Amino acid sequence: DAGITQSPRHKVTETGTPVTLRCHQTENHRYMYWYRQDPGHGLRLIHYSYGVKDTDKGEVSDGYSVSRSKTEDFLLTLESATSSQTSVYFCAISWTGENGNTIYFGEGSWLTVV
Amino acid sequence: TQLLKQSPQFLSIQEGENLTVYCNSSSVFSSLQWYRQEPGEGPVLLVTVVTGGEVKKLKRLTFQFGDARKDSSLHITAAQPGDTGLYLCAGAKWNDMRFGAGTRLTVKP
Repeated sequence: DAGITQSPRHKVTETGTPVTLRCHQTENHRYMYWYRQDPGHGLRLIHYSYGVKDTDKGEVSDGYSVSRSKTEDFLLTLESATSSQTSVYFCAISWTGENGNTIYFGEGSWLTVV
Repeated sequence: TQLLKQSPQFLSIQEGENLTVYCNSSSVFSSLQWYRQEPGEGPVLLVTVVTGGEVKKLKRLTFQFGDARKDSSLHITAAQPGDTGLYLCAGAKWNDMRFGAGTRLTVKP
């Protein structure tokens, strides 16, 4: 258990509304990630953070922003939700050990944009 | 374009059969990981392979990392219904982790 909590777990929202997903970790990990998972595409990286106020874009960052004001919290915001952002969103942390970089995932947030 | 290609995409077999799924790329990775994901949950790490040619065994699961560190395979012996799930491979380059689209395995009793 990597101590990752995502909220909300399920949300339905209307097109054009802003949405914020929260990821909370209890293990003081430096690196945190937001992925989305869609059929046929697997997991794709949206944004990641390598420390407080340090974030960078992933491969599918358009339409998303992130913030990390505290080590334990990483927020993902959809500025104006679109139907193409209907997806399952996973927060993750990474831990570097003797086997290199390992990622641990939260339980996911199911977002439907109608 | 998927950096990591997994095959097959779908696999349906009977309990007791053996199977192999593949993860291929043209890129070299510092490590490669296999995850298993069940419906409604996040992926769970099964194994990490680091050294080219490395073989790791986890009960009935055997994982191999290619000599050139570009590909990997997962072999399951005597599959059981509990092995049903989505199997994902992921390649790491520093802190950039890229995932394949997954192999969805169904093991019928």
